[in-house]
Amino acid sequence: KNEVEQSPQNLTAQEGEFITINCSYSVGISALHWLQQHPGGGIVSLFMLSSGKKKHGRLIATINIQEKHSSLHITASHPRDSAVYICAVRSNTGNQFYFGTGTSLTVIP
Amino acid sequence: KAGVTQTPRYLIKTRGQQVTLSCSPISGHRSVSWYQQTPGQGLQFLFEYFSETQRNKGNFPGRFSGRQFSNSRSEMNVSTLELGDSALYLCASSLAYGQQDGYTFGSGTRLTVV
Repeated sequence: KNEVEQSPQNLTAQEGEFITINCSYSVGISALHWLQQHPGGGIVSLFMLSSGKKKHGRLIATINIQEKHSSLHITASHPRDSAVYICAVRSNTGNQFYFGTGTSLTVIP
Repeated sequence: KAGVTQTPRYLIKTRGQQVTLSCSPISGHRSVSWYQQTPGQGLQFLFEYFSETQRNKGNFPGRFSGRQFSNSRSEMNVSTLELGDSALYLCASSLAYGQQDGYTFGSGTRLTVV
C-alpha cells in the first residue's frame, strides 16, 4: 500500500479550465509538498504546507490535516502548466519522505 | 544566485562498478537530500544530510551511501552497481534541517548501468 495516493493519474484540459489534483496520505506528517516536474526531469518545489492554504499566482494548495488530504488547484490553466505534479509528505516519525506517483497534466491550447 | 548544481549530468557505468555523484547546494543552504527516480518506482527518498551528519535515511541497501562536507557539498556513492540502479538521481537543498519553507532541486544526474 502506498503511503501517498494521487488522483487523477492523467489529466487533459483545455486552456483556461480550472484544474484540481488530489492527494491523500496515510501517515502522520510534519509537512506536505507539491512538486512540478517538466519533461527533461527538472523539479520545482511549488508549495510546502503544514496547515491551511497557500496561493502563488494561479496556483492554490490546500490541506486538511484531519482528513489527510490535500488539493492543488490551477486557475485559468495554460499550456505552460503541462507537467507532472507530484505530492510528497514528510512523516512526523522518522522524518521519511513519501511520494505519490504523480499526475501528468496536459493543457491544450 | 547559483542554483543547486549536480555533476555529472549523465553517466554510463558497467554492472559491478561503483559511482560517485556530487551535489553543490545553494550558497548558504546547509541541508542536502538525495532522491532516486525510476519509471517503475517513481521518486524515492535516499538520505538527508545536515551539518555533515546523516539525519535520516530511506529504505535502500547499504550499497547506497553518502556524505556531506564542511562546505555543505554532498556526495553519494553507489557500489557494486546493478542494472536496477539506472535512474535519475536528484538532490535538493534547503536552508536548514526540517526547513519548513521549500527545497530547491538540482537538475539531476542520469545514471545508466549496462
